[in-house]
Amino acid sequence: GAVVSQHPSWVICKSGTSVKIECRSLDFQATTMFWYRQFPKQSLMLMATSNEGSKATYEQGVEKDKFLINHASLTLSTLTVTSAHPEDSSFYICSAVTSGGANEQFFGPGTRLTVL
Amino acid sequence: AQTVTQSQPEMSVQEAETVTLSCTYDTSESDYYLFWYKQPPSRQMILVIRQEAYKQQNATENRFSVNFQKAAKSFSLKISDSQLGDAAMYFCAIFGNEKLTFGTGTRLTIIP
Repeated sequence: GAVVSQHPSWVICKSGTSVKIECRSLDFQATTMFWYRQFPKQSLMLMATSNEGSKATYEQGVEKDKFLINHASLTLSTLTVTSAHPEDSSFYICSAVTSGGANEQFFGPGTRLTVL
Repeated sequence: AQTVTQSQPEMSVQEAETVTLSCTYDTSESDYYLFWYKQPPSRQMILVIRQEAYKQQNATENRFSVNFQKAAKSFSLKISDSQLGDAAMYFCAIFGNEKLTFGTGTRLTIIP
């Protein structure tokens, strides 16, 4: 149980375009999802906390208008990278929590974004 | 704010031997959780072990155990009988104030 999927697993786009990444909890309802960013050979950095039916809470330094997060249902959160640039190239990972609480996060397999 | 420090960027161990990965943390929270995650080349984050800060007893999961020293804010991971499949990046993390903060990771190599 507690499986989280991400789609796509790898995306390449041109600079200036927007890219949407989906995060789904497959076998449980997730009131809260988290979005992380991981640069090569570095750690995961929390970008934002996404709560179903409300606005996401962004970490300091993360541009809200750049990284749009929508958590429209209990099983789906989306991250849209708007007007992507090469410096946005990274590995994006989502996690979802069950009713057990936010300390019990289940991670998706990640999405590799390459912006040309 | 909470921070996690992993002072060993890389470690190696002979297959079947025991290795200990170090982790120290800092937090102003009184209620928090500590984790070790494994990230293999597939980059899927896998929970290895979890420790509730209010529990004095060290967590154990099969070959994996921790040495939790709350006063020293230390949370090391011991892997016994190392196997080739243990090769991965290992991240120590703390959950407090509704956020999960990761250390910089330790790359573990298993020598056959």
